[in-house]
Amino acid sequence: EPEVTQTPSHQVTQMGQEVILRCVPISNHLYFYWYRQILGQKVEFLVSFYNNEISEKSEIFDDQFSVERPDGSNFTLKIRSTKLEDSAMYFCASSIEGFTGEGYTFGSGTRLTVV
Amino acid sequence: DQQVKQNSPSLSVQEGRISILNCDYTNSMFDYFLWYKKYPAEGPTFLISISSIKDKNEDGRFTVFLNKSAKHLSLHIVPSQPGDSAVYFCAASAWSGAGSYQLTFGKGTKLSVIP
Repeated sequence: EPEVTQTPSHQVTQMGQEVILRCVPISNHLYFYWYRQILGQKVEFLVSFYNNEISEKSEIFDDQFSVERPDGSNFTLKIRSTKLEDSAMYFCASSIEGFTGEGYTFGSGTRLTVV
Repeated sequence: DQQVKQNSPSLSVQEGRISILNCDYTNSMFDYFLWYKKYPAEGPTFLISISSIKDKNEDGRFTVFLNKSAKHLSLHIVPSQPGDSAVYFCAASAWSGAGSYQLTFGKGTKLSVIP
């Protein structure tokens, strides 16, 4: 079964450092997403991406965040200057359509720890 | 602003019995509701969904009921099996006009099925 692959599974970074989280969505999917889950909290939408541009973003997705699809297969989330409160599980997801009643396919997540 | 609420953080059920997980929402613009299942160290996995024009959707052991007037939905698992032990997230989506749907998640309910 096709999978969304995320690397690394765990990243530890110092506060103020830049971090790039990587995702390989399912190959024929067209819509890509990043969500995050702070420990003990709900899963929160960050951004959606379609046709090489951001289609929606939440208020969490401020100027410190950016996304890119650099080579047609990878989908990355960059945090420019990490803060302690960025520590969370970050999930990448993809879907073949903008909306599907079957939801998205999520990756296993990257646990980001900012120290 | 909790638009999707799962008021029970945990639920324990005997194997073979029915598990009922509940979810309430406040946004009347939601038009699709989904349940995701999440095991530790994995991303959420789509389980079942229901359109707002329906009141019931069934898939094997899983049935989702939607009561629009009460803004309430529930997931029934019958019979419950130990492998069903996981965190269950309720999610809802609404068309934003921007080309893709974003999901709004509840905080999750941890289901433990006791053999």
